[in-house]
Amino acid sequence: GAVVSQHPSWVICKSGTSVKIECRSLDFQATTMFWYRQFPKQSLMLMATSNEGSKATYEQGVEKDKFLINHASLTLSTLTVTSAHPEDSSFYICSARRGGVSTDTQYFGPGTRLTVL
Amino acid sequence: AQRVTQPEKLLSVFKGAPVELKCNYSYSGSPELFWYVQYSRQRLQLLLRHISRESIKGFTADLNKGETSFHLKKPFAQEEDSAMYYCALGAGGGNKLTFGTGTQLKVEL
Repeated sequence: GAVVSQHPSWVICKSGTSVKIECRSLDFQATTMFWYRQFPKQSLMLMATSNEGSKATYEQGVEKDKFLINHASLTLSTLTVTSAHPEDSSFYICSARRGGVSTDTQYFGPGTRLTVL
Repeated sequence: AQRVTQPEKLLSVFKGAPVELKCNYSYSGSPELFWYVQYSRQRLQLLLRHISRESIKGFTADLNKGETSFHLKKPFAQEEDSAMYYCALGAGGGNKLTFGTGTQLKVEL
């Protein structure tokens, strides 16, 4: 149990276009989802915390208008990279925590590799 | 602000040798510490957390508040232990995780 999927697993886009990444909890309800960014050979950096039905909370230095997060249901959160540029190329990872279990751990998705040309 | 330090980027040991992956943290509140593992081409997965006080795959980790450390240990390394290990600190009501930079463990035959 507690499986998180991401779609797509990789995407290549042109500079200036927008890209949407989906994060789904397949067998549980996730009241909280997290979005991370990972650069090559570096650690995961938390971008934002997403709570179902409310606005996401962004970490310092993360542009809200650049990285749009929507958590419309208990099993789906989306990250849209708007007007993508080459510097947005990275590995984006989401995680989800089960609802009603405040001490539960985070379950991670497999990640999405974004390459902006 | 919270911070997690993993001083070793790469740790290479022989099969059967003891392993210790170091992790130090900085946090003014009451911390919750985790070790996550990422095997080649797989997603990040929880290895253990300090509140569980359990041994997973032969690994243990003890929270030392005096030294602000949470080192991961295993008495006898196995080839299948080769992976990337991340130490993480959970803080705040939403249990946001702050990750260390990771240590690549390589177990050689």
